[in-house]
Amino acid sequence: GQNIDQPTEMTATEGAIVQINCTYQTSGFNGLFWYQQHAGEAPTFLSYNVLDGLEEKGRFSSFLSRSKGYSYLLLKELQMKDSASYLCAVMDSNYQLIWGAGTKLIIKP
Amino acid sequence: DAEITQSPRHKITETGRQVTLACHQTWNHNNMFWYRQDLGHGLRLIHYSYGVQDTNKGEVSDGYSVSRSNTEDLPLTLESAASSQTSVYFCASSESVEVADAFFGQGTRLTVV
Repeated sequence: GQNIDQPTEMTATEGAIVQINCTYQTSGFNGLFWYQQHAGEAPTFLSYNVLDGLEEKGRFSSFLSRSKGYSYLLLKELQMKDSASYLCAVMDSNYQLIWGAGTKLIIKP
Repeated sequence: DAEITQSPRHKITETGRQVTLACHQTWNHNNMFWYRQDLGHGLRLIHYSYGVQDTNKGEVSDGYSVSRSNTEDLPLTLESAASSQTSVYFCASSESVEVADAFFGQGTRLTVV
């Protein structure tokens, strides 16, 4: 079966760095996506990785290792507004997105 | 500005009633999707469409139907609402199959009592 695993909840301190991991087992691979979702709101696109390596976008970076079925989202200089759930999703061979359950990130002052 | 809107934002209905959730996008996207989101689960795909008159079943399609008569709209119908269908429903659209940085609507919170 297809499976996306990510931690349920993480806590970090304002100004610090946090890494949210995602491991996956899917039927084929056509890219990995990270979305941010604030409570009660819609998910919004953060990043897309299809090749191995690190993609940097401001304070956020996303890493992919296809051979290990592994990705992480790195958030630097954490701000209170970064408190949200972070969703990992993999596009399978049928171009369907398979979603993880999300990681709730709590930022403390 | 282009957008994707869902209505209603909140709905309470009774078991057995037919309910339709609306989704309207002005991105002119071919691809539209309906998901449900429940605590402890990832977004689960209900139905999707790759263009007018095209509809496909997703992972959790039982008890739901969609129709695509134009590019802008993909209404989701619950034929006979059940308590297990209490959830938050998200509609999304994307430009092409390969481009999955989808835009999501604000969601509809449906409660079936």
